[in-house]
Amino acid sequence: DAKTTQPTSMDCAEGRAANLPCNHSTISGNEYVYWYRQIHSQGPQYIIHGLKNNETNEMASLIITEDRKSSTLILPHATLRDTAVYYCIVSGGSQGNLIFGKGTKLSVKP
Amino acid sequence: DAGVIQSPRHEVTEMGQEVTLRCKPISGHNSLFWYRQTMMRGLELLIYFNNNVPIDDSGMPEDRFSAKMPNASFSTLKIQPSEPRDSAVYFCASSLLTSGELFFGEGSRLTVL
Repeated sequence: DAKTTQPTSMDCAEGRAANLPCNHSTISGNEYVYWYRQIHSQGPQYIIHGLKNNETNEMASLIITEDRKSSTLILPHATLRDTAVYYCIVSGGSQGNLIFGKGTKLSVKP
Repeated sequence: DAGVIQSPRHEVTEMGQEVTLRCKPISGHNSLFWYRQTMMRGLELLIYFNNNVPIDDSGMPEDRFSAKMPNASFSTLKIQPSEPRDSAVYFCASSLLTSGELFFGEGSRLTVL
């Protein structure tokens, strides 16, 4: 599986958009980009995933560059409850054996 | 749906004792995963099953660790004998076979003294 690079930490003001970047320059054609988050002491939670096209759901938007070498997770209106570690994962095909990296620790501040 | 159910939520044991962690996946899910999380190593995939069959156990640290899935609604992760370095939070997750959307349990926090 391709590796990902994420910033170690980020801050965001409450109510503003949080934009979390992820680099995955070695991604291959059949690999998806997944985003999960882990709120302190809880199990990881699925957010969104995509292959080529941008995706949006009730939680977030995922923007994937045309060359697929990077992506951005957007939380449109961050709240204090969005404070968590966000993981960007690249995984191939239909098998969900996801390998988690260090992630980005997002702190939403009032 | 109750989600993925793990037990026990907390376990404190002494070195050398046997530890058994249990997981009930979401009904209808046919893939099951065991992860371990520590501060030093983060989230590590230990083993996963498809349709109750172990597919990849390359993440299992050593022979002291074993996992079984006797049926679609139950899995165990056993450590025998346990060591202090096994102290961690162990997460179980389940999914549909063709999906990368994993549903995680609340985890079992293991402390080995």
